[in-house]
Amino acid sequence: LAKTTQPISMDSYEGQEVNITCSHNNIATNDYITWYQQFPSQGPRFIIQGYKTKVTNEVASLFIPADRKSSTLSLPRVSLSDTAVYYCLVGDGDMRFGAGTRLTVKP
Amino acid sequence: GAVVSQHPSWVICKSGTSVKIECRSLDFQATTMFWYRQFPKQSLMLMATSNEGSKATYEQGVEKDKFLINHASLTLSTLTVTSAHPEDSSFYICSATEAFFGQGTRLTVV
Repeated sequence: LAKTTQPISMDSYEGQEVNITCSHNNIATNDYITWYQQFPSQGPRFIIQGYKTKVTNEVASLFIPADRKSSTLSLPRVSLSDTAVYYCLVGDGDMRFGAGTRLTVKP
Repeated sequence: GAVVSQHPSWVICKSGTSVKIECRSLDFQATTMFWYRQFPKQSLMLMATSNEGSKATYEQGVEKDKFLINHASLTLSTLTVTSAHPEDSSFYICSATEAFFGQGTRLTVV
């Protein structure tokens, strides 16, 4: 049983805000939610991590509702260079990746 | 700069030979490292968890005798693909903690 479910792909345009949602209905009390970005032929890059409510850093925001059964990665004003695959991981040290979301940003 | 260095970036080897991939943590010590393989257009598949000073923990279906993992120091873990075959051609990635990943190694077996 997959721990996380994400849309397979999303399209957006430059300058738009992109929200990618991840479902994790079976999240455990000790689990954190972590998002990564991966470009082709590169290792994943850590974007943001959270446990509840909202977390924001210089590149993204992470919204987590009270029940923690889902999370949304928000990328403000995307550019062409944000075209990548985005993964959410849920766990307490569990490093198994789900299928990810392939985001394509168009001009 | 990179905090996890993976070497080599790419390697081509002949069938039947062995290939070693190194994963080094820079500026910090990592008691645990993770090894993944990734096929084109697919997600990362966790192969094993490497523990410093002890045996690695392999995921179900991963042949431990084929993919030898050694984590002899707090800054270095190695993955050796033994008797490589064309079907072992893939992109191999290591990580140290959940925040830092290596650049990946493209292995091509001919």
